[in-house]
Amino acid sequence: AQSVTQLDSQVPVFEEAPVELRCNYSSSVSVYLFWYVQYPNQGLQLLLKYLSGSTLVESINGFEAEFNKSQTSFHLRKPSVHISDTAEYFCAVSTNQGGKLIFGQGTELSVKP
Amino acid sequence: GAGVSQSPSNKVTEKGKDVELRCDPISGHTALYWYRQSLGQGLEFLIYFQGNSAPDKSGLPSDRFSAERTGGSVSTLTIQRTQQEDSAVYLCASSETRYEQYFGPGTRLTVT
Repeated sequence: AQSVTQLDSQVPVFEEAPVELRCNYSSSVSVYLFWYVQYPNQGLQLLLKYLSGSTLVESINGFEAEFNKSQTSFHLRKPSVHISDTAEYFCAVSTNQGGKLIFGQGTELSVKP
Repeated sequence: GAGVSQSPSNKVTEKGKDVELRCDPISGHTALYWYRQSLGQGLEFLIYFQGNSAPDKSGLPSDRFSAERTGGSVSTLTIQRTQQEDSAVYLCASSETRYEQYFGPGTRLTVT
């Protein structure tokens, strides 16, 4: 079975500051890793994914995440955040056979001016 | 193209009533998933369809919950004899491959 732990439930940060949202997972088999974002009153959107290959993956809006197998982590980073990044971020895992996603509890990112 | 759609967007029902929630996946997506999002439990997997069959029903919380999918497309999640703890946002997702799931906007269910 897989599990996901997001270490911070809330992360307040000032605009243009860097941010890291932490995610650790547990699994006995190979996994795919995902970050989803949920803006206020909206549905879940895929932000980025790690399937295989390069351990550093990037999104189109400046977020990146690095898969670290030895530390079983998939932390999300952005060097300079905007007010519009305010949202809840969910880390998720599935086995490499696909199927259901197992989500972390979510991290609420609040960007202040 | 059109994304995943769900109806109704909001549903208020009395305790003990049955409800049906509908999901229209992205055209051509063979896999369909139901999840539930609630304050206390976060995002929980309920059931997974591949085509019309459900190889993974492990997340359904009780036998009051059931789901079906017809024609490899539309899916209906039915909750019988609703309880207050069923109040949540019910999310549907579909995928074409093993890699990415695309989520609908959800149905907010309130049981009074």
